[in-house]
Amino acid sequence: DVKVTQSSRYLVKRTGEKVFLECVQDMDHENMFWYRQDPGLGLRLIYFSYDVKMKEKGDIPEGYSVSREKKERFSLILESASTNQTSMYLCASSSGLAGGPGSGANVLTFGAGSRLTVL
Amino acid sequence: QKEVEQDPGPLSVPEGAIVSLNCTYSNSAFQYFMWYRQYSRKGPELLMYTYSSGNKEDGRFTAQVDKSSKYISLFIRDSQPSDSATYLCAMSSNSGYSTLTFGKGTMLLVSP
Repeated sequence: DVKVTQSSRYLVKRTGEKVFLECVQDMDHENMFWYRQDPGLGLRLIYFSYDVKMKEKGDIPEGYSVSREKKERFSLILESASTNQTSMYLCASSSGLAGGPGSGANVLTFGAGSRLTVL
Repeated sequence: QKEVEQDPGPLSVPEGAIVSLNCTYSNSAFQYFMWYRQYSRKGPELLMYTYSSGNKEDGRFTAQVDKSSKYISLFIRDSQPSDSATYLCAMSSNSGYSTLTFGKGTMLLVSP
């Protein structure tokens, strides 16, 4: 019954490595998001996408890029990993546009998370 | 001033207690108010969803929104050990591509 799948639960990488975090959803959702979650800082939005090949910067995009070649897949890329990117990364998806009492755009379905450690 | 403020806790209560979790916010454009629950080592899941002001009840859970005070609450009646989790409030405005603004979460511990 898993709907948002993150390919790796735990990763350990070295400083300077290129890191790919993959996320796949099977709900035909238009919107996909990447967050990171850190103690004391909460959830912070890195990038999001409202359609295939579209991407928008979130609150903390520096050091990250994303790719959305297919509707169901949204990848987060760390071009050169640094120790301050050690974190829990959460992918989420939702449907439609915000607006209206029943807006599905606010109903995020999250993956289980990918815990990345950069040494 | 942060857009959404939420006490991080932890909040420890005995089983059966009534729990009150709260968030304050500063952006008057917020129209949609949500509570997400996150168990340890899991992603958050939607618990309650409210549009504009008022109350919404679902079983043991009641969500309240007071837009005049910019204050939202989640009440849990007859709390259970299985309610032990982190509760995150989230909000968004009524615009086409608005994203959610999350509180930092309150950790709740319900002891048997």
